[in-house]
Amino acid sequence: DIQMTQSPSSLSASVGDRVTITCRASQSISTYLNWYQQKPGKAPKLLIYSASSLLSGVPSRFSGSGSGTDFTLTISSLQPEDFATYYCQQSYSDPLTFGGGTKVEIK
Amino acid sequence: QLQLQESGPGLLKPSETLSLTCTVSGGSFSSSSYYWGWIRQPPGKGLEWIGSIHYSGSTNYNPSLKSRVTISVDTSENQFSQFSLKLSSVTAADTAMYYCVRRVVVIAAIWFDPWGQGTLVSVSS
Repeated sequence: DIQMTQSPSSLSASVGDRVTITCRASQSISTYLNWYQQKPGKAPKLLIYSASSLLSGVPSRFSGSGSGTDFTLTISSLQPEDFATYYCQQSYSDPLTFGGGTKVEIK
Repeated sequence: QLQLQESGPGLLKPSETLSLTCTVSGGSFSSSSYYWGWIRQPPGKGLEWIGSIHYSGSTNYNPSLKSRVTISVDTSENQFSQFSLKLSSVTAADTAMYYCVRRVVVIAAIWFDPWGQGTLVSVSS
């Protein structure tokens, strides 16, 4: 199985901050990497697919980059509604696997 | 707008079989680009893909659960499309929020969108 490692596991940030979350795969996965946002008590929602493609309707302050084994999710200017847990997920090979999550908290 | 809704018992005893149904509405169930599947999340923990099924009946499962999992499509003729999850011989480790999802396949890229709201299944004697 491909292991996905996210860092940090949690972070504290203020509204307006630029936030970067990292996801590393245990082997090269090209750009088969997706990002999800999960708010407390809610199901995850897709934000970015194929490493850098923004899902329609997702604010442009979210962006994704990377290929191979190293990927980043960036929130250019953190908004109050962005406080949540973020997960990466590889779709290079079955079983599809997720990172452990990064919780973004209010500073 | 496509919506998915899970249903099924919320409390099971060890060794019983977990049975959940996902009702799909507001969109196409039989597109070749879509699989339908299940993901679970133990309380306070991360996400685990369980398995997926195509409307044609083709399935793939997480090897860690494969011996206990069956996903099937409900072929009854009603206005809704449904697919189901069965997980046998449950233990406390199977306690989790269970989400049904659409697995979108575009060329070789795959992602999960949308997700159902989830249903909590607890296993306790």
